[in-house]
Amino acid sequence: EAGVTQSPTHLIKTRGQQATLRCSPISGHTSVYWYQQALGLGLQFLLWYDEGEERNRGNFPPRFSGRQFPNYSSELNVNALELEDSALYLCASSSQAGGSFFDTQYFGPGTRLTVL
Amino acid sequence: AQTVTQSQPEMSVQEAETVTLSCTYDTSENNYYLFWYKQPPSRQMILVIRQEAYKQQNATENRFSVNFQKAAKSFSLKISDSQLGDTAMYFCAFITNSGYALNFGKGTSLLVTP
Repeated sequence: EAGVTQSPTHLIKTRGQQATLRCSPISGHTSVYWYQQALGLGLQFLLWYDEGEERNRGNFPPRFSGRQFPNYSSELNVNALELEDSALYLCASSSQAGGSFFDTQYFGPGTRLTVL
Repeated sequence: AQTVTQSQPEMSVQEAETVTLSCTYDTSENNYYLFWYKQPPSRQMILVIRQEAYKQQNATENRFSVNFQKAAKSFSLKISDSQLGDTAMYFCAFITNSGYALNFGKGTSLLVTP
């Protein structure tokens, strides 16, 4: 069974540009989570999508947004990029509809975003 | 506040030896799940082991086991017979039944040496 996939592997942008990151969950998983892993800050929760809806977001500005498609894949958009947005962005998926807390989240390999 | 503390930023162990990574957490909730994830240099975050808070029995997965002390809010990971492939960053995390996102510690970098 294929795991969570993410694309691209690396992304280099300049300040002020927009970045789009993509995630495909494990087949059968309906929930997708996005986390930011910045150097020295650990993993911070960004967004949670389930059944096509944004269910919750972490403490990030509105220029971080995304969506979930009918096939449950997801896209994270970061507008007006700032230098501090440079980080590894990890996507995770889980199988329980509604993102039940007890369902394990499985992670993708991440997208390394570098903002110059 | 829901926090996770991993007090050992870096650890080193020789191949075939045993090592224990510590983790403490803080939550006011009574029902939650705890996890250890491993992130090797390849970046892929891999689930190592998980523990349901309502279960007193410590979880075990092959060479990996946990020591879960609910009253102390402690959740340490023991790796037996360490292998070179165990070299990675290890993250402790938990999620509660009123939550949706994992709360992660800052990680412990484990180096296994020959």
